[in-house]
Amino acid sequence: LAKTTQPISMDSYEGQEVNITCSHNNIATNDYITWYQQFPSQGPRFIIQGYKTKVTNEVASLFIPADRKSSTLSLPRVSLSDTAVYYCLVAGRNTGFQKLVFGTGTRLLVSP
Amino acid sequence: GAVVSQHPSRVICKSGTSVKIECRSLDFQATTMFWYRQFPKKSLMLMATSNEGSKATYEQGVEKDKFLINHASLTLSTLTVTSAHPEDSSFYICSASPIRGEGTDTQYFGPGTRLTVL
Repeated sequence: LAKTTQPISMDSYEGQEVNITCSHNNIATNDYITWYQQFPSQGPRFIIQGYKTKVTNEVASLFIPADRKSSTLSLPRVSLSDTAVYYCLVAGRNTGFQKLVFGTGTRLLVSP
Repeated sequence: GAVVSQHPSRVICKSGTSVKIECRSLDFQATTMFWYRQFPKKSLMLMATSNEGSKATYEQGVEKDKFLINHASLTLSTLTVTSAHPEDSSFYICSASPIRGEGTDTQYFGPGTRLTVL
């Protein structure tokens, strides 16, 4: 299982774009990168998943360079409600349901 | 779609009693579910993998006789904390993935169950 490394915490202000980078140097060929968001006393919520290049949905974008050893979650124009812990995980798909190993996550604090 | 529920959302029990937590996939079938525990300000720690119709696979250091897991159907897994002690107080979270062919292998998480053992 690829280990991930993220900044422990980040601070931002409302309306700014936030980019959280995750390192996964040992990512395997069949691994996908998935980001989750967790609020206190709630289960993690799926944000976005990707394999390479760029993926965008209604809440975020995920940028993955060609070597796939890192990825960046981009949150456009954050609001106070985006204050949460963000986890980056890598796991294979189509190889059975691989268990997810959570790292420390990044605690994002959005201020007015 | 891809909703996972847990029941109860919070439970308080006396030391020595057993507590059962249910995890249900509401709009999809899941042959595999996962159970995690999370301490305050810490990350999720995988406890076990629950497989429908077979025995669960426990992570190293997790006592299988203390944390009983039953995955009786494609939409329900239960975690029973037996003879609970105060150190078992934690936030327990389950996750499930839709059966391949019904969606991606993305795991979807339940809302969690807060267990407090007095």
